[in-house]
Amino acid sequence: EVQLVESGGGLVQPGGSLRLSCAASGFTFSSYWMHWVRQAPGQGLVWVSRINTDGSSTKYGDSVKGRFTISRDNAKKTLYLQMNSLTVEDTAVYYCARVDCSDGGSCFFDYWGQGTLVTVSS
Amino acid sequence: SYELTQPPSVSVSPGQTASITCSADNLGNKNVCWYQQKSGQSPVLVIYQNNKRPSGVPERFSGSNSGNTATLTISGTQAMDEADYYCQAWDRDTAVFGGGTKLTVL
Repeated sequence: EVQLVESGGGLVQPGGSLRLSCAASGFTFSSYWMHWVRQAPGQGLVWVSRINTDGSSTKYGDSVKGRFTISRDNAKKTLYLQMNSLTVEDTAVYYCARVDCSDGGSCFFDYWGQGTLVTVSS
Repeated sequence: SYELTQPPSVSVSPGQTASITCSADNLGNKNVCWYQQKSGQSPVLVIYQNNKRPSGVPERFSGSNSGNTATLTISGTQAMDEADYYCQAWDRDTAVFGGGTKLTVL
């Protein structure tokens, strides 16, 4: 059974840092691109970042570029998101999600974690 | 940047057909996915590649995509279908989500 379990969320002051983790199991982690998607309270889904299979290529949304860093440890089957210079606008539930591109080249998020809440407040 | 536009809300009576639209320039040239998110839960894929249903998704869920509009259709809507629905497409290798549509089953 595919499982993605996020951790590391919590309350942090503006300007602070936090590192999120996403532990994967039930599939060959090193074969999949992975993403972070966030959802502010009462708001919609917003793509945050993605990383390729070996970690050599990353990409970020404009709102987090230069502040967040995505990484992965394939040996530990874990995805990370290092978040620095946090602002109140970063308050959200952060989901890690697996992308599957095996069906005719069309890619989609086929598995999502349960999410971890990050609250940025003084 | 590429933007997907959805109506904030749609209402439907039980047993009737619900249609949720997602619009963007030349959206028909892209593959669109749809996700269902029930209150307090993580999103779940219900349609991928415009009109394909993942295993386990009921047949009453279907999708289409042409021109500037993609549509998620739920036939014979049930109370359990009440949720937020998000369309999603790719802009290069960046995921873009619509703003979401709250489906209310009255």
